Amino acid sequence: AQRVTQPEKLLSVFKGAPVELKCNYSYSGSPELFWYVQYSRQRLQLLLRHISRESIKGFTADLNKGETSFHLKKPFAQEEDSAMYYCALKDSNSGYALNFGKGTSLLVTP
Amino acid sequence: EPEVTQTPSHQVTQMGQEVILRCVPISNHLYFYWYRQILGQKVEFLVSFYNNEISEKSEIFDDQFSVERPDGSNFTLKIRSTKLEDSAMYFCASSVTNYNEQFFGPGTRLTVL
Repeated sequence: AQRVTQPEKLLSVFKGAPVELKCNYSYSGSPELFWYVQYSRQRLQLLLRHISRESIKGFTADLNKGETSFHLKKPFAQEEDSAMYYCALKDSNSGYALNFGKGTSLLVTP
Repeated sequence: EPEVTQTPSHQVTQMGQEVILRCVPISNHLYFYWYRQILGQKVEFLVSFYNNEISEKSEIFDDQFSVERPDGSNFTLKIRSTKLEDSAMYFCASSVTNYNEQFFGPGTRLTVL
């Protein structure tokens, strides 16, 4: 069975501080991991997927298969980063469904 | 930029009534999905749809639920006899292929009284 765990419900940091949003997963198959973001009153949108290995809006995430983690990091948080962040998993070979974690609300204060 | 749209934004219904939630996926997308999020809980997959048939469904998607693509643009989710526990935000999503990004709509908030 797939499981995605985001241990922090709320994370509050000061502007300019580093931020790390944790995501751990359990899946015996071949997973593809994603980070989705939902800004206030906006729709869910894709931020990152591990196969792209991109940096979007200064965020990066590395898939660590040994630790089964896909933590989201940014070295210097900005106030506009305040949003709800969801980690999600999909079977890379045959799956259609995104399996989401419960989400972490990031608040960046000035 | 094309977006997934959903109507209505908020639907209030009485327990036992049928509801139809509507979605217009992005026009060149071939895969369609419904998810729901009960207040305070995580976003949960309901069903995926491709080539006019269900490709995958979750345990939540029981006989009370059905999906349809009645014409070339709409994708609907029907709940035959709503229960209180069906109250949730329902998100539609679409993607070009199964391997591409899923684009989400703004959601329909369903309230069952």
